[in-house]
Amino acid sequence: AQRVTQPEKLLSVFKGAPVELKCNYSYSGSPELFWYVQYSRQRLQLLLRHISRESIKGFTADLNKGETSFHLKKPFAQEEDSAMYYCAVQNAGNMLTFGGGTRLMVKP
Amino acid sequence: GAGVSQSPRYKVAKRGQDVALRCDPISGHVSLFWYQQALGQGPEFLTYFQNEAQLDKSGLPSDRFFAERPEGSVSTLKIQRTQQEDSAVYLCASSQRQGLEAFFGQGTRLTVV
Repeated sequence: AQRVTQPEKLLSVFKGAPVELKCNYSYSGSPELFWYVQYSRQRLQLLLRHISRESIKGFTADLNKGETSFHLKKPFAQEEDSAMYYCAVQNAGNMLTFGGGTRLMVKP
Repeated sequence: GAGVSQSPRYKVAKRGQDVALRCDPISGHVSLFWYQQALGQGPEFLTYFQNEAQLDKSGLPSDRFFAERPEGSVSTLKIQRTQQEDSAVYLCASSQRQGLEAFFGQGTRLTVV
């Protein structure tokens, strides 16, 4: 069965510091991986997916199949990045399996 | 148009009561999903529709949970004889078709007292 692990419940950094939100997955087959973000009082929304290889709001994530990781990174955190971040893997049937989430707090 | 719309936003039910949660997906979206999110956890898959067909209901936790999408648009998640452990946020998501980005609703927060 597929599983997604986000080891940090809370990550607190100062504005301008680098950020890395960790995500490890277990999945048999070729995974499709995503990062979703939920800002305060807003709905869950897609941040990025690995197949698009885009940088969204300065965030990037690289799929490392050897380490089964898909960590989310940003070189310089901004206060508006404060939110809940969820890593997710999609199976062939289209359903998403989410990790437990990491709350990112960016302090001024 | 508007995004995925869910109603009610909040529901308080007495233990044993039946509840019905509604999801209006984005118009024209073929795929529709229900997820359950307990406090402090990530969303967990409940069920998936493609048009009116329920293709996967493996995540429904018990036979008290039932979902339908009779005309391939609006969906209803029904929970019979609610229990305290059913307290959670229920999220609905839709996508244009399989494999494309899923758009989430605001969720319905169910509290069973």
